Amino acid sequence: DGGITQSPKYLFRKEGQNVTLSCEQNLNHDAMYWYRQDPGQGLRLIYYSQIVNDFQKGDIAEGYSVSREKKESFPLTVTSAQKNPTAFYLCASNIEGKNTEAFFGQGTRLTVV
Amino acid sequence: KNEVEQSPQNLTAQEGEFITINCSYSVGISALHWLQQHPGGGIVSLFMLSSGKKKHGRLIATINIQEKHSSLHITASHPRDSAVYICAVHWSPTRLTFGEGTQLTVNP
Repeated sequence: DGGITQSPKYLFRKEGQNVTLSCEQNLNHDAMYWYRQDPGQGLRLIYYSQIVNDFQKGDIAEGYSVSREKKESFPLTVTSAQKNPTAFYLCASNIEGKNTEAFFGQGTRLTVV
Repeated sequence: KNEVEQSPQNLTAQEGEFITINCSYSVGISALHWLQQHPGGGIVSLFMLSSGKKKHGRLIATINIQEKHSSLHITASHPRDSAVYICAVHWSPTRLTFGEGTQLTVNP
């Protein structure tokens, strides 16, 4: 079955450490996205990529980095520069350039202690 | 930038009740999504619509482009419908703006 896989589901890290969240899709989608969800707020866009080897900052990119070396994979690194990294992170994908249905992963809940 | 407002924020219903969740947005869009998020966090797309009405099982979504408003209806609600329902609008091919979500609890 096609879909998006995020791993791990839960992640704990010490303050000051970088951590990388995985997102893989087998839907052959060109566009992939990373969102952050905080209690009482809508999802906010961190980074997106419309094609391999290219990505764009979203609304809250500071303290995050991404790469898109393969069409299927769009990992997100939460760096030590992110001031408030504890949150729920969602990855999504859709067909690039079209207002099509977006597919979401199951999310990763990151807790920094 | 598009603003998206959902109402109500929280909704508690008895099993079997008809439920309506509303979504309003501020600028023109090309499409609107209704999403469902269960307690584990994963999100499922329920509908994507740009005009009129769509129905899937007990779920019905409508949109009025002129009034910049959409509604999600659940008929004969069931406890398994308990989830957060999120409205998201497509105002560019790569940008979705999300509402804060409506927490629905259906009691048996």
